[in-house]
This record gives sequence, structure tokens and C-alpha cells, in this order.
Amino acid sequence: GAVVSQHPSWVICKSGTSVKIECRSLDFQATTMFWYRQFPKQSLMLMATSNEGSKATYEQGVEKDKFLINHASLTLSTLTVTSAHPEDSSFYICSAVTSGSSETQYFGPGTRLLVL
Amino acid sequence: QQQVKQSPQSLIVQKGGISIINCAYENTAFDYFPWYQQFPGKGPALLIAIRPDVSEKKEGRFTISFNKSAKQFSLHIMDSQPGDSATYFCAAAPYGQNFVFGPGTRLSVLP
Repeated sequence: GAVVSQHPSWVICKSGTSVKIECRSLDFQATTMFWYRQFPKQSLMLMATSNEGSKATYEQGVEKDKFLINHASLTLSTLTVTSAHPEDSSFYICSAVTSGSSETQYFGPGTRLLVL
Repeated sequence: QQQVKQSPQSLIVQKGGISIINCAYENTAFDYFPWYQQFPGKGPALLIAIRPDVSEKKEGRFTISFNKSAKQFSLHIMDSQPGDSATYFCAAAPYGQNFVFGPGTRLSVLP
């Protein structure tokens, strides 16, 4: 149980285009999902907290107009990287918390983004 | 005060040995301490977690030791195997709030 999927697993795009990453909780309802960014050999950096039906809460330094987050249902959150630049190339990981529990986060497999 | 310190940065252990990774925190509001295992190119997977009301928790070859007064906790991997080679992250969170992750430890278990 508690499986989180991400799609796509990797994406290559041209500079200036937008990329959408989906995060789905497959066997549970997630009132809260988190989006992280991870650079090579570094820890996870929280970008934003996504709550179903409300606006995401962004961490300091994360541009909300660049990283658009939508949490339209209890099983789906999306991260859209708008006007991507090469410096946005990174490993993006989502996690989800089961409804009724605010503790254990279950992570997706990650999405590798390369902006050319 | 929100930091979680983790050591060592990297660790090399012989097969069958014990791997020990240590973490320390400052925020006394933290009350949930999970450990995650991450393989290259994959998302982190929950290994084991502990609350501060117990001093030790064991699941298979993995044990968390927790020292509330010292604000430290550690992961012990008994009988380490090459398949355990991965990056390990400790984390801490106040109830209902976001995780604070340690910087990670890269474990290599030699055959």
C-alpha cells in the first residue's frame, strides 16, 4: 500500500517551454502532497506544500509563478515548470501524506528534468 | 534551529558489518523521526521511523536508537549487505508539519 507514482519519469525540453509533472497517490487519498527538488548528491529541498482544493504554500525563495502547483483531487497534484531554463534541470520528487495522518510521507519515484 | 545534522557524509562498510549513521537536532518540537533510503535515480523510501517516547525501535536488520536528552538519533544496519548501498536520509518533523531532512549519508557496502 501507499504507492505514489510520478509521470513522466524523465523529460527533456527546450529552454522556454513549459513542462508538467504529475504526482498520483494510487491506493490512498492524499490531502497533502509535497514537491521537492534534489540536486545531484544533495538532500531534498522542499519547494511547496500542496493541499487539495486550496492554493499551494511555497517555501521561501521558490517562485510561485514559475513553479505552478495544482492539487485538484485527493489523488493528483501537478507541478508545471513554466518557461523552463537550463538551471531548472533537476530531479523533482513528490510525496504524499495519507488522509488522517500528518506524519509519514510516501515518495514518488521522481522525475528527471533536463532543459536544453 | 530547524536544521538536522547528519554524519558521516559517506560510509564504507564490509559485507556483514554494522553500518551506523548519526543525526542530531535542536528543535525540541520535533516529535517524529523517520529514516529514508534512496537509490540513484529513485525517490526516497521509508525505512523505519520512531517517536521520542521510545528509545529504540527495530525492524529486521534496521534499528533506530533515540536519545531524547541529547537530541540525537541513529540508524544501525546490522549484517550490512551490498544491496544496502544507497543514500540514507534522516528527517525530523513537529507533528503535522513539514519534514526537515538531513544532508544524507552515502553508504557503500563492499562484497
